[in-house]
Amino acid sequence: GQQLNQSPQSMFIQEGEDVSMNCTSSSIFNTWLWYKQDPGEGPVLLIALYKAGELTSNGRLTAQFGITRKDSFLNISASIPSDVGIYFCASSQGGSEKLVFGKGTKLTVNP
Amino acid sequence: IAGITQAPTSQILAAGRRMTLRCTQDMRHNAMYWYRQDLGLGLRLIHYSNTAGTTGKGEVPDGYSVSRANTDDFPLTLASAVPSQTSVYFCASRRTGGNSPLHFGNGTRLTVT
Repeated sequence: GQQLNQSPQSMFIQEGEDVSMNCTSSSIFNTWLWYKQDPGEGPVLLIALYKAGELTSNGRLTAQFGITRKDSFLNISASIPSDVGIYFCASSQGGSEKLVFGKGTKLTVNP
Repeated sequence: IAGITQAPTSQILAAGRRMTLRCTQDMRHNAMYWYRQDLGLGLRLIHYSNTAGTTGKGEVPDGYSVSRANTDDFPLTLASAVPSQTSVYFCASRRTGGNSPLHFGNGTRLTVT
């Protein structure tokens, strides 16, 4: 089946540092989504990407849809303690209503 | 506030018992989904429904069943629970057509003993 390889699995950083995480796949996808999950809650959408090469920002977050349509990255600049959580990439192929999720990147920010 | 409501929030269940996890959304979304989340495995799709009256199997459907009698409700049933079904279960929904994002409930933490 379709698989998304998300890395790194976990990150421990100091407040103020920049963060980068990515997802890759051997399959081509039409959509890349990035979600954040806080403890005890469901994932919340951060950024949605719908075109190859698209670069989108949401505050301190920036994400890009890879040109090959097989990868995406998420950057967080100047991290703050509330950035702590698990970040998931998700994607779907053309005509499919089913989203496939990466295994997540757990981010810890030390103040 | 519009959104997805899951119930119960948590449950401890004896193996072999039947359990239905409830999910209701008031956003009039056509598509609904059930995921389970396990440490190190991320979110895996159990079952989904593109519209009322239709359902489909996801990545890990065995041991689970769903129904979609109307647009708002999408219950997930474990006919005879087993310990490997201990997990956090998330219901989600979205509008079909176009590129609408997935909205998640806050999850049900299920422990099967």
